[in-house]
Amino acid sequence: EIVLTQSPGTLSLSPGERATLSCRASQSVSSSYVAWYQQKPGQAPRLLIYGAISRATGIPDRISGSRSGTDFTLTISRLEPEDSAVYYCQQYGSSPPTFGGGTKVEIK
Amino acid sequence: EVQLLESGGGLVQPGGSLRLSCAASGFTFSSYAMSWVRQAPGKGLEWVSGIGGNIVRTHYADSVKGRFTISRDNPKNTLYLQMNSLRAEDTALYYCAKGYYYDTSGRMAFDYWGQGTLVTVSS
Repeated sequence: EIVLTQSPGTLSLSPGERATLSCRASQSVSSSYVAWYQQKPGQAPRLLIYGAISRATGIPDRISGSRSGTDFTLTISRLEPEDSAVYYCQQYGSSPPTFGGGTKVEIK
Repeated sequence: EVQLLESGGGLVQPGGSLRLSCAASGFTFSSYAMSWVRQAPGKGLEWVSGIGGNIVRTHYADSVKGRFTISRDNPKNTLYLQMNSLRAEDTALYYCAKGYYYDTSGRMAFDYWGQGTLVTVSS
């Protein structure tokens, strides 16, 4: 199965700063089939990005995804207090679907 | 509005059984694959099992294969997870998730999630 490694484990930034979250796959992910989810404490995950670069419905354009080889990146261009959460990447290019370990984003 | 409401969690002894349910509304249930994804306390997400919209194919993580059975009742808009031979390591919040992408090889991703039902396996 494909192993996804997310870094850093925790990101502590101020409002208005840019957050860059990394997700590295252990092997090539077919057709850029990577999704990103946001999970706030006590809540279910929420889909942010699918197909590595496409925003889900209602997601603001300050949140974006990109790919370079087996490296996938989630960028939040201007952090807001509401962005405080854990972010997970997930690959669905092969079975079984697998998740990364998560990156916690803290807003100072 | 898509809604997924899980139920059936609780405290069970090792070796015991539980059946989880997920009542779906707000979309054409039979047209979409569905999955169960779990999250152990303080840990990350782990996909558990998935089923196609037309029920033809089911898929399982190696960690639950042979112990868990996923099923669905399309006329009742309900997804199920029968969990047998439960172990301490199955303790987790179990989410029901709607698949926005699925193919019969078991590749899937999720656009809506329920709030989860907690399963605790302990003596």
